[in-house]
Amino acid sequence: GQQLNQSPQSMFIQEGEDVSMNCTSSSIFNTWLWYKQDPGEGPVLLIALYKAGELTSNGRLTAQFGITRKDSFLNISASIPSDVGIYFCAGRRSVGGGSNYKLTFGKGTLLTVNP
Amino acid sequence: DAGITQSPRHKVTETGTPVTLRCHQTENHRYMYWYRQDPGHGLRLIHYSYGVKDTDKGEVSDGYSVSRSKTEDFLLTLESATSSQTSVYFCAISPERGGIETQYFGPGTRLLVL
Repeated sequence: GQQLNQSPQSMFIQEGEDVSMNCTSSSIFNTWLWYKQDPGEGPVLLIALYKAGELTSNGRLTAQFGITRKDSFLNISASIPSDVGIYFCAGRRSVGGGSNYKLTFGKGTLLTVNP
Repeated sequence: DAGITQSPRHKVTETGTPVTLRCHQTENHRYMYWYRQDPGHGLRLIHYSYGVKDTDKGEVSDGYSVSRSKTEDFLLTLESATSSQTSVYFCAISPERGGIETQYFGPGTRLLVL
């Protein structure tokens, strides 16, 4: 099946630092989503991207849909302790039929913020 | 928060017993999904539904069945639970508009099979 390579697997940073993570694939995607999951909770949608080159912000979070449509990036500026959690990327491939209903997920980036 | 609830939230069962997990939504969304989440694997799709009585398999469907008799409920059944099915199970929903551009997740069910 399709795979998304998400990196880094984990990050340990100091409060106030900026964070960058990314997802790459060998296949083209026409939608990229970024989720955050807190311990014991379900993933929560942070940002959705629908066009190649699109740059979208949500507060201190900024995500970009790569020009090649095979990658996406998430940046968090001025991190705070509540940013701790697992961040997932997800993509929808640009094919028709049943696969249109399904997302492919990265394995997540575990972010730890040291106060 | 999207109106998604899952029940039970926690369950301990024994190998060989049947287990049914329920996902209930109040959003009237067309698409519903069941995922399992395991360390090192991320989220993997078990089954999904694109309408009442319309379901299809995901990438890890063996040992699982689903049913959707009404829009708001999507049931996941483990016919005979095995220890390998110990996991956290998440339900997700997606609006009909544009298909699956967004999926909203429920709070999860933690299942332990002894």
